Amino acid sequence: NAGVTQTPKFRVLKTGQSMTLLCAQDMNHEYMYWYRQDPGMGLRLIHYSVGEGTTAKGEVPDGYNVSRLKKQNFLLGLESAAPSQTSVYFCASSYTTGGYTFGSGTRLTVV
Amino acid sequence: AQSVTQPDIHITVSEGASLELRCNYSYGATPYLFWYVQSPGQGLQLLLKYFSGDTLVQGIKGFEAEFKRSQSSFNLRKPSVHWSDAAEYFCAVGDERTGTASKLTFGTGTRLQVTL
Repeated sequence: NAGVTQTPKFRVLKTGQSMTLLCAQDMNHEYMYWYRQDPGMGLRLIHYSVGEGTTAKGEVPDGYNVSRLKKQNFLLGLESAAPSQTSVYFCASSYTTGGYTFGSGTRLTVV
Repeated sequence: AQSVTQPDIHITVSEGASLELRCNYSYGATPYLFWYVQSPGQGLQLLLKYFSGDTLVQGIKGFEAEFKRSQSSFNLRKPSVHWSDAAEYFCAVGDERTGTASKLTFGTGTRLQVTL
């Protein structure tokens, strides 16, 4: 019972590089989310998806793009990484009435 | 828009003592409310949730929370804390615009330290 799986777990990027974070869930959840966690700021919503083929902006979407081509996968892309994007990124999935199931996080450092 | 405030950044309690973590929310109707716990280097785990009905909800690991509409609060409690409860705790509220438990807004968290 995998739940929500995030890859990679750690990554160091140079400023200007690009990368994609992958989130996969096996619970048939409709909703998927990407949050970033920074000290003293809690979790802030980057983008979310209410179903396959749909995405929407959250609270802090600038500098990120997402895609949900398959129901079980939600990809977060950084086209040109900046030091301000150094953070821990969490993916989560849910039904409309349930609590979230979180992945274990990706720790990203941009130098 | 909805919001969540956790006024205590850091709390220290002795093992065996009782615990109360505060959470205040801003929401125009009856909210969906959640408490999550995060151990160091881990993702967040759901402790309990409130949707409607009984205002005292029971969760995992011996935690409970009480919804008080008049105070816009959803405080988390535990009668006797164990050293393994040391972690960061997050309160969250559902989406006011859609009235669902999706698109949660999180508080900034309370870090709990347990002394032996």
